[in-house]
Amino acid sequence: QVQLQESGPGLVKPSQTLSLTCTVSGDFISSGYYYWTWIRQPAGKGLEWIGHFYTSGSTNYNPSLKSRVTISMDMSKNQFSLKLSSVTAADTAVYYCARDQNMGIDYWGPGTLVTVSS
Amino acid sequence: EIVLTQSPGTLSLSPGERATLSCRASQSVANNYLAWYQQKPGQAPRLLIYGASRRATGIPDRFSGSGSGTDFTLTISRLEPEDFAVYSCQQHGSSPPTFGQGTRLEIK
Repeated sequence: QVQLQESGPGLVKPSQTLSLTCTVSGDFISSGYYYWTWIRQPAGKGLEWIGHFYTSGSTNYNPSLKSRVTISMDMSKNQFSLKLSSVTAADTAVYYCARDQNMGIDYWGPGTLVTVSS
Repeated sequence: EIVLTQSPGTLSLSPGERATLSCRASQSVANNYLAWYQQKPGQAPRLLIYGASRRATGIPDRFSGSGSGTDFTLTISRLEPEDFAVYSCQQHGSSPPTFGQGTRLEIK
């Protein structure tokens, strides 16, 4: 059973960098043909794809966030991470990490609320 | 990027009824890479349908997907109490992957 769990600060100050980590169990992020993905959802709104890291080592980001986003992997810890710089209140959302098998996103973390506020 | 428009915004039905949800794309979805998700309050989305019409593992057969190109439909043949939730479509045939704004299925 694949499980994902987000972790990181729930409160970030404006202009600072949001940092989240996703710990994966039940699968190895270095194996298979999966896209390890970050998605967010502001309260009461739809889902927004942030970006992903493919096991080959390539990354792809949403153009609307590309200048501020970095997704990286730590194979030794079976984790992948999200960094979003220069945050504003508009970045307040529930952030999900997920596994995308390119046939739909089949496993999701429970999500973590990140609030941007001073 | 491809914009997905879901309709209706809210659908009010009773258990036992049939639900038909629509997802329309601003451009043709490559390879019919269209997925449907169910989301309940406080929970992560759950994959229901991928490839426009293929049920994900463990999804009851009352859920079905159809469509191609720019017009897609999720049908729930006979609503169970646990089916009342928000449903979102997603395309991943073109980058960036995008989601619809969701349809809220509520109990009438």
